[in-house]
Amino acid sequence: EAQVTQNPRYLITVTGKKLTVTCSQNMNHEYMSWYRQDPGLGLRQIYYSMNVEVTDKGDVPEGYKVSRKEKRNFPLILESPSPNQTSLYFCASSTLRETNLNTEAFFGQGTRLTVV
Amino acid sequence: GQSLEQPSEVTAVEGAIVQINCTYQTSGFYGLSWYQQHDGGAPTFLSYNALDGLEETGRFSSFLSRSDSYGYLLLQELQMKDSASYFCAVRARPFFSGGYNKLIFGAGTRLAVHP
Repeated sequence: EAQVTQNPRYLITVTGKKLTVTCSQNMNHEYMSWYRQDPGLGLRQIYYSMNVEVTDKGDVPEGYKVSRKEKRNFPLILESPSPNQTSLYFCASSTLRETNLNTEAFFGQGTRLTVV
Repeated sequence: GQSLEQPSEVTAVEGAIVQINCTYQTSGFYGLSWYQQHDGGAPTFLSYNALDGLEETGRFSSFLSRSDSYGYLLLQELQMKDSASYFCAVRARPFFSGGYNKLIFGAGTRLAVHP
């Protein structure tokens, strides 16, 4: 079954304690990205990756890091979480073939993070 | 810069037809997508328009006008289960992105369907 798997689904942590949210996809997609969703603001892109070892900042990258050492995995790292990073996070993946413009994005089930 | 605008809320009754509009502004535009998200769930893909015109998939249709930078999602024969948030998203390669294409989401439209 084609899927994007995020872990954990829920996380409560304290300010400053490093954490990693994992994301894995089994569709051999080149493109992966992280979004945060806050009420009234929709889905804002944090970081994205075009392929292994190729990553770039999205619209709200401050306070986050990512890595893409393998095609299937794209972890999101918060080195020193702060309360303003309390949010719902989604990982997504899609193909990137320029000739296939219908590039549906598949989303993970989300990670609800609370930083106290 | 890039921007997408869609209404924040729409209310309708079962069996009715509702149209959710989306206007966008971006460089390097490829196409417009629509996603549905139920409360507590992940966004799921509904449709994609790369060319002008109407695409129909069952009760849902999506329209794009590239010259007007405008699209809409049309939901017919509304059902209670259609109550959800609907996001338009542009796939684009903005000039500042270094050649990488991106999927950029609007803030979403919350649709409430009443009996």
